[in-house]
Order: sequence, then C-alpha cells, then structure tokens
Amino acid sequence: QVQLVQSGAEVKKPGSSVKVSCKASGGTFSSYAISWVRQAPGQGLEWMGGIIPISGTAKYAQKFQGRVTITADESTSTAYMELSSLRSEDTAVYYCTRDAGYFDLWGRGTLVTVSS
Amino acid sequence: EIVMTQSPATLSVSPGERATLSCRASQSVSRNLAWYQQKPGQAPRLLIYGASTRATGIPARFSGSGSGTEFTLTISSLQSEDFAVYYCQQYNNWPGTFGQGTKVEIK
Repeated sequence: QVQLVQSGAEVKKPGSSVKVSCKASGGTFSSYAISWVRQAPGQGLEWMGGIIPISGTAKYAQKFQGRVTITADESTSTAYMELSSLRSEDTAVYYCTRDAGYFDLWGRGTLVTVSS
Repeated sequence: EIVMTQSPATLSVSPGERATLSCRASQSVSRNLAWYQQKPGQAPRLLIYGASTRATGIPARFSGSGSGTEFTLTISSLQSEDFAVYYCQQYNNWPGTFGQGTKVEIK
C-alpha cells in the first residue's frame, strides 16, 4: 500500500530556502491532491498549500503566498515544497499528506530548523 | 476563512471512561468535518471523515456526530493508547482549517 516518504531533517540559516520532498512509495499519487501541513513546536496544525499532481495546479494559503512553492513530478510520484526567506518562526515539522479534502495518509514529517 | 474552535483544551479522563470532545465552526461546514489523533513524535492519524465515517482500521469506540457548526467526537471507553491530542478539520470551504486541538490526558 502507498506510503508517503519524506526527505530528512534540515538546518537552515535565516533568509535561506528549504526544499522538502515527499515520494509516494508502493504506488502513485493517482488522482489525489497532495497538501503540506506544518506544525511548529508545541503548536497545532497549519495547512500551507497543495497541488494536484496530474494537472500541476497548486494553491497556497494566503499566509505563505509568495514564499512557498509546491511542485510535483508525476513520473517519480514525488511532490516538493520549497519555502523561501526562512525565519526562526518557520522552525517546524513539515508533513505531506494525501488530500481528499480530509487528509487520509500522512508522511512521517520533516523537521526544519531555522537558526543562525 | 472558517475558524474552528475546539473545547475543552484539555480533558482529564480515567481509563475506561467516556470522553466527549467538541468542535465548533464559525459558519456551516455541512458534514465536511474530519477528526485526527496525534501522539507525541508522530504524524496525525485520520479517525473520522464526513463527520461520522470511521477511517480504515479505526476502532468502533471512536464515533463522530454533528452537522453544520457543531460536532462531537466520542471515545466510548478510553484505552491507554487513546491518550493523545485530537484535532478537528473542516474541508467544506477552501482553505481547510484545523481546530487548535484537545489534549486527552490520564486523570
């Protein structure tokens, strides 16, 4: 069955960018959307944006507009989330999820630490 | 953007007891409401979607109810593995939004 396998933890400097990957292992994205949800330490869940890989159409939460880019490579069943102009408040675990409106499949998360 | 408000923030319950968690939407979301369970260091897990449909593999002690703006997640008899944080999420309007979570702790 399909699993979402995310790339490893990252440590970044303020002002830099990070790109996190999410590969569908044991299957494909099929016609589902893939969304990215983040969780700052001790905080709740925050939807950042999502993409429909089959069409390449992406949508972003207003809070992250201009700073986040979500892409997908259907040939490798891999989605990417790139966040730029990083600041300390972006320190969080970033999850990719299969998006059917609700999120029925989650990656294990990628910890991104922003620190000088 | 629809605001989801969960109550209480923390619920102290003894094993074997019933737990009732509430989620309120700032406007109607019909039955497009999901519940998730999250344990420390783990990704969230889908429990309920469509307000009352259990996801694959979710035990029958978890049940969801409600429609419109008021929703409830009930855990009929708490097991040790149920102590966790629970989030509701609406997906009726874009963007989907989460509540702030209810922590269910051991009394």
